Amino acid sequence: AQKVTQAQTEISVVEKEDVTLDCVYETRDTTYYLFWYKQPPSGELVFLIRRNSFDEQNEISGRYSWNFQKSTSSFNFTITASQVVDSAVYFCALSDISGNTPLVFGKGTRLSVIA
Amino acid sequence: ETGVTQSPTHLIKTRGQQVTLRCSSQSGHNTVSWYQQALGQGPQFIFQYYREEENGRGNFPPRFSGLQFPNYSSELNVNALELDDSALYLCASRDRFITGELFFGEGSRLTVL
Repeated sequence: AQKVTQAQTEISVVEKEDVTLDCVYETRDTTYYLFWYKQPPSGELVFLIRRNSFDEQNEISGRYSWNFQKSTSSFNFTITASQVVDSAVYFCALSDISGNTPLVFGKGTRLSVIA
Repeated sequence: ETGVTQSPTHLIKTRGQQVTLRCSSQSGHNTVSWYQQALGQGPQFIFQYYREEENGRGNFPPRFSGLQFPNYSSELNVNALELDDSALYLCASRDRFITGELFFGEGSRLTVL
């Protein structure tokens, strides 16, 4: 069975601080996809990144970066120089490599960035 | 390109009633899935539709049912509502033949009293 654990329920940081959101996953599949989604107060889940298990390179997109470590089954997300607009709930998710199975989500981490 | 739209955005029902939620998928997307997100939890998969047929279902009872129409839009029906059905219901669409991210709507927030 697949499982995603986001141990941090809530995090508060002051604007411009860096923050890392942790994600640990469990799967019996040897190949799979990992995702991060952002959920602002409007409710819509906004796609941030998809990473397949073949590729362990870290990825950077602007102020966002992701650290994938297959050896520890972790896919952590760092926001550099956080801004108030980053305040949201962030979800880590997992699916099989076909992409046709449903996403398995963690419980999310609520990030509050204080001005 | 039109995104995923859902209606209604908010609704209140009483226990035992029935509800229908609607979803218009993103243009060109032929697969629609529904998720239930209880307060403080991550989304849980309810079911998925492709070519008007259900082709995947999560751990939800039969009183949760759905439809997909030829234009790929979809409905989620819940019968005999229970208090625990109170949640945000999210619809997501994608192109089945393109492995990629799901595109989500803003959800329908259902409160059961």
